Amino acid sequence: GQQLNQSPQSMFIQEGEDVSMNCTSSSIFNTWLWYKQEPGEGPVLLIALYKAGELTSNGRLTAQFGITRKDSFLNISASIPSDVGIYFCEGGTSYGKLTFGQGTILTVHP
Amino acid sequence: EAGVAQSPRYKIIEKRQSVAFWCNPISGHATLYWYQQILGQGPKLLIQFQNNGVVDDSQLPKDRFSAERLKGVDSTLKIQPAKLEDSAVYLCASSPLRGTYEQYFGPGTRLTVT
Repeated sequence: GQQLNQSPQSMFIQEGEDVSMNCTSSSIFNTWLWYKQEPGEGPVLLIALYKAGELTSNGRLTAQFGITRKDSFLNISASIPSDVGIYFCEGGTSYGKLTFGQGTILTVHP
Repeated sequence: EAGVAQSPRYKIIEKRQSVAFWCNPISGHATLYWYQQILGQGPKLLIQFQNNGVVDDSQLPKDRFSAERLKGVDSTLKIQPAKLEDSAVYLCASSPLRGTYEQYFGPGTRLTVT
């Protein structure tokens, strides 16, 4: 089955810094989604991408669908303490297979 | 708009016992998903329903897990009998449109098997 490699596994940054994380796979995906999960809650959808090369923003968040369709990137600009959480990528194939990455744990120091 | 509802929020059982989880998706959402999230890992899709039909259950351990979605609305996930490795958070999600995969998740049920 498909596997997604999400990196880094964890990040410790200062408030105000920019953050970059990515997801890679050996398989091709038709859809990439990025979620944020906080303790005791389900994941919350941040950005959905549907086309290779697509770049989409949601406030301070920007995500890109890699041109090879095997990767995706998420950037957070000017991080704030409430950005703390676990960020997950999810890939969807054309035949409906959904796979989550292992997550990137983000810690923001004030 | 009400979100995805799940109950119970927490459950502790002994191995070999049975347990059931309930999910009520967002009104009008045709697609419903059950995920298993083991501590420190990403969610793993167990089963996907489109209305009351199964789209994908390839990762559902069918010897002990079962799920149903009667009338295309609420859904239940059952484990019988439970094993220690079933300890996890069970997440339910729903999507308004088939094929977009934009999922809205419930808070999950944390299962501990002792």
